[in-house]
Amino acid sequence: GAVVSQHPSWVICKSGTSVKIECRSLDFQATTMFWYRQFPKQSLMLMATSNEGSKATYEQGVEKDKFLINHASLTLSTLTVTSAHPEDSSFYICSATPGDEDSYEQYFGPGTRLTVT
Amino acid sequence: GQQLNQSPQSMFIQEGEDVSMNCTSSSIFNTWLWYKQDPGEGPVLLIALYKAGELTSNGRLTAQFGITRKDSFLNISASIPSDVGIYFCAGQEDAGGTSYGKLTFGQGTILTVHP
Repeated sequence: GAVVSQHPSWVICKSGTSVKIECRSLDFQATTMFWYRQFPKQSLMLMATSNEGSKATYEQGVEKDKFLINHASLTLSTLTVTSAHPEDSSFYICSATPGDEDSYEQYFGPGTRLTVT
Repeated sequence: GQQLNQSPQSMFIQEGEDVSMNCTSSSIFNTWLWYKQDPGEGPVLLIALYKAGELTSNGRLTAQFGITRKDSFLNISASIPSDVGIYFCAGQEDAGGTSYGKLTFGQGTILTVHP
């Protein structure tokens, strides 16, 4: 149980285009999902916290107009990188939590490798 | 913001050796977690610690939650080649309020095991 998927697993796009990454909780309802970015040989940095049906909360320094997050249902959150540039190339990882009294454990997706040319 | 200092940054060991890594924080966490990440994949939870002073084992892995709630260590005994990967500590904020159990990660320890 507690499986989180991401799609696509990798994507290459041209500079200036937008890319959408999906994060799905496959066997549980996720009240909260988190989006992380990881550069090579670095740690995971939290970008934003996403709650179903409400606006995402972005970490300091993360541009909300550039990284659009939509959490339309209890099993799906999407991250759209708008007007992507080469410096946005990174590994994007989501996590999901049931967020109930029993567990705030985060279950991580397999990540999406974004390369902007 | 909160920061976690994880050390060592990397380790090169021989198969069969024991490994120890630790994390310290500038502030208190009520939950400490240890993850392993393989290349190109998401992190996988190894051990979760919920109580100060707690010592928990998972197979060859042992982790402890420091009494001050500002530190934790992870030990791996009798290492094997498949232990290779990046190990991260993470402190979890309380889920109340607007935190929703947010995680702060350490910088990671890259483990290489020579057969």
